[in-house]
Amino acid sequence: NAGVTQTPKFRILKIGQSMTLQCTQDMNHNYMYWYRQDPGMGLKLIYYSVGAGITDKGEVPNGYNVSRSTTEDFPLRLELAAPSQTSVYFCASSLGTGIAGYEQYFGPGTRLTVT
Amino acid sequence: DAKTTQPNSMESNEEEPVHLPCNHSTISGTDYIHWYRQLPSQGPEYVIHGLTSNVNNRMASLAIAEDRKSSTLILHRATLRDAAVYYCILNFYHGNNRLAFGKGNQVVVIP
Repeated sequence: NAGVTQTPKFRILKIGQSMTLQCTQDMNHNYMYWYRQDPGMGLKLIYYSVGAGITDKGEVPNGYNVSRSTTEDFPLRLELAAPSQTSVYFCASSLGTGIAGYEQYFGPGTRLTVT
Repeated sequence: DAKTTQPNSMESNEEEPVHLPCNHSTISGTDYIHWYRQLPSQGPEYVIHGLTSNVNNRMASLAIAEDRKSSTLILHRATLRDAAVYYCILNFYHGNNRLAFGKGNQVVVIP
């Protein structure tokens, strides 16, 4: 199993450009998440999905969009990139959800710079 | 959401045990305590979780205070590979599990 894979690893965008960060998992997990991590900070949840066709906002959704057409893929779209979106983006997945919590598996991240 | 408090950083000598404290005085009765760690330039990885009883796995042990207001992650024998940021997180469940990461505890392992 490759686990959670993300592409690209690095990207530089100009202000106002758009791009899609790709995330794929091969563990047949229903739940997928997008986080961003600013320098020296913890991760903040952007969007999450509980299954194909179902997405919901996290803590910091502004400036981003997501879709979930398949169980495996959960792309994150940035429209009109701004310097404030310079960050490292992590995708994660988990088998399920529940009071005890389920282990989340993280991808290696995409480092995005907007100038 | 209940919050956690951790030291900003700690140092440990290689091959010695490391005790990472976490305070969570506002924890509710159903909040599970989760620990993740993040190695340099990598995504976080799950370490361990528990509710009331102490927990052990191949990576670490989790000791939970009787009143559940604090917990301690124990790495039994630190290696250089254990140098990472360790996050103590209360599992927030409202129909889904949302991990609220703080800044974590930067652990430095000294050879």
